[in-house]
Amino acid sequence: NAGVTQTPKFQVLKTGQSMTLQCAQDMNHNSMYWYRQDPGMGLRLIYYSASEGTTDKGEVPNGYNVSRLNKREFSLRLESAAPSQTSVYFCASTVREGGGYEQYFGPGTRLTVT
Amino acid sequence: SQKIEQNSEALNIQEGKTATLTCNYTNYSPAYLQWYRQDPGRGPVFLLLIRENEKEKRKERLKVTFDTTLKQSLFHITASQPADSATYLCATEDGYGNKLVFGAGTILRVKS
Repeated sequence: NAGVTQTPKFQVLKTGQSMTLQCAQDMNHNSMYWYRQDPGMGLRLIYYSASEGTTDKGEVPNGYNVSRLNKREFSLRLESAAPSQTSVYFCASTVREGGGYEQYFGPGTRLTVT
Repeated sequence: SQKIEQNSEALNIQEGKTATLTCNYTNYSPAYLQWYRQDPGRGPVFLLLIRENEKEKRKERLKVTFDTTLKQSLFHITASQPADSATYLCATEDGYGNKLVFGAGTILRVKS
């Protein structure tokens, strides 16, 4: 089991460029998430997908779009990158365990927008 | 929505001592609290979940408590080791469904 995988690991974009961050999980989880992590602010939810075919906005969705391609894959797109989107992006999937939702995270994508 | 507060100051302790990290939630009493470990350059890794009807939960050298009166969870690492040095994140449910809200995390440094 690879768990949750993300590509790329690092990316530098110029303001206004677009890119798609890819995420895949092989644990047969229904729900998947995209977070960004900034110093001192913790993980903030961008978008999530409770199940294949559905997506919903999280706390900070502006400037992003997502696609739940199938049960395994959940991509995050930046249509026109801005310096404020410089961050580390984590994808996660979840399973209900012990009365709560345990999340499994990918290794992250470090994005710099200049 | 729920908010999670963790001490932003790093906790520095000596090897062998017990580390205690604090997590406070500000709104309604959640059904559970979770703790994750995050190493530099890596994604968080789930450690423990404690439900609101459980006062204490243990896993090896880890112990978590849940005090609904104080709106607080404490995370203890006994006999700490330098390998325990990491950032520890507290999380809980955010409203309905399967979303989580995370605290900003507390950095733990264990010195030998």
